[in-house]
Amino acid sequence: DGGITQSPKYLFRKEGQNVTLSCEQNLNHDAMYWYRQDPGQGLRLIYYSQIVNDFQKGDIAEGYSVSREKKESFPLTVTSAQKNPTAFYLCASSISGALESNQPQHFGDGTRLSIL
Amino acid sequence: AQSVSQHNHHVILSEAASLELGCNYSYGGTVNLFWYVQYPGQHLQLLLKYFSGDPLVKGIKGFEAEFIKSKFSFNLRKPSVQWSDTAEYFCAVTDSGSARQLTFGSGTQLTVLP
Repeated sequence: DGGITQSPKYLFRKEGQNVTLSCEQNLNHDAMYWYRQDPGQGLRLIYYSQIVNDFQKGDIAEGYSVSREKKESFPLTVTSAQKNPTAFYLCASSISGALESNQPQHFGDGTRLSIL
Repeated sequence: AQSVSQHNHHVILSEAASLELGCNYSYGGTVNLFWYVQYPGQHLQLLLKYFSGDPLVKGIKGFEAEFIKSKFSFNLRKPSVQWSDTAEYFCAVTDSGSARQLTFGSGTQLTVLP
């Protein structure tokens, strides 16, 4: 079955350590996205990538970094510069990131990151 | 920048009651509108969407939403809720200048009592 796989489901790290969250999709989608979900705040866009080897900052990119070396993979690194990294992180993809596309985004199951 | 407001943070209903969840957005141009649902322990999934045409859109599981452009609203409705509708509901919008960036509301937690 096609879908988006995020791993791990739960992740614990010590304060000051960088951590990388995995996101893989086998939907052959061009565009991929990372969101952060906090209670009472909905989803906020961290980074997005419309095509391989290209990505743009979203609304809350500070303290995060991404790469898009392969179409199916869009890992997110939470750096020590992120002041409040404990959150639920959601990866999403869509067929195209183009404006004329009307395909909704498909979501992974998320990774819950806790900083100890 | 656009914004999406969901004024009801937590709604509690009994089974068979009617549901209406409010969603208002701030952008004045052409928009695409979505409702997503997240059931406990599951991933976010699309409930329904509006791109153009009939402003009353029907989604899965008996849900519908009405786009009222003059009110910048896209409220979600269901005539009779079930216990299995207990979930968190998110309204989202893209505009013509967002390059497919979805802006989400803060979500509404719906609890349906059996």
